[in-house]
Amino acid sequence: GQNIDQPTEMTATEGAIVQINCTYQTSGFNGLFWYQQHAGEAPTFLSYNVLDGLEEKGRFSSFLSRSKGYSYLLLKELQMKDSASYLCAVRDQWGNTDKLIFGTGTRLQVFP
Amino acid sequence: DVKVTQSSRYLVKRTGEKVFLECVQDMDHENMFWYRQDPGLGLRLIYFSYDVKMKEKGDIPEGYSVSREKKERFSLILESASTNQTSMYLCASSTVDRVGSQPQHFGDGTRLSIL
Repeated sequence: GQNIDQPTEMTATEGAIVQINCTYQTSGFNGLFWYQQHAGEAPTFLSYNVLDGLEEKGRFSSFLSRSKGYSYLLLKELQMKDSASYLCAVRDQWGNTDKLIFGTGTRLQVFP
Repeated sequence: DVKVTQSSRYLVKRTGEKVFLECVQDMDHENMFWYRQDPGLGLRLIYFSYDVKMKEKGDIPEGYSVSREKKERFSLILESASTNQTSMYLCASSTVDRVGSQPQHFGDGTRLSIL
């Protein structure tokens, strides 16, 4: 079956670092995406990993271990505007099309 | 910037009505998707399309159909709306990329209530 697990909620303090974990068991794997979704808004793309290792993009980094079926999103120097849901999604390629399988999302609250 | 536009942000319909949700993208993307998002369940794929007039069932297609007559437009149809179809509906598009790194771009969503 297809299963993607991530914590439901997390809290952190402004200026701190937070790590959001994602574990997956899927029939296929062709990359893992992280999206950010503010309440009432569309998900927006944050990062993509297809090879093992760390991808850094400003304050955000994402890590992948394919052998362990594990990824994390690391947010540094947290700001209040980082309060949002973070969605982990595994790409399962179907022909030339990507099907994304989403986790249920992690709601992050950043406090002053 | 990629723009994915959904025709309505909020929609209220009655049980048994036929409901049309429209989605238009302006980046000439080949792939288009319809998801619904429910608390505790995340985004679930209803249907997707990889070319004009082509469609494929996603994970929860029952009660829905789709239409893609033009490349930029992908319509979701609720044939006979039921209360369990009350949800947030999100449309997305993406381009074909052999490397696989291109993300899906989402519209702002349509919050549909079926009374």
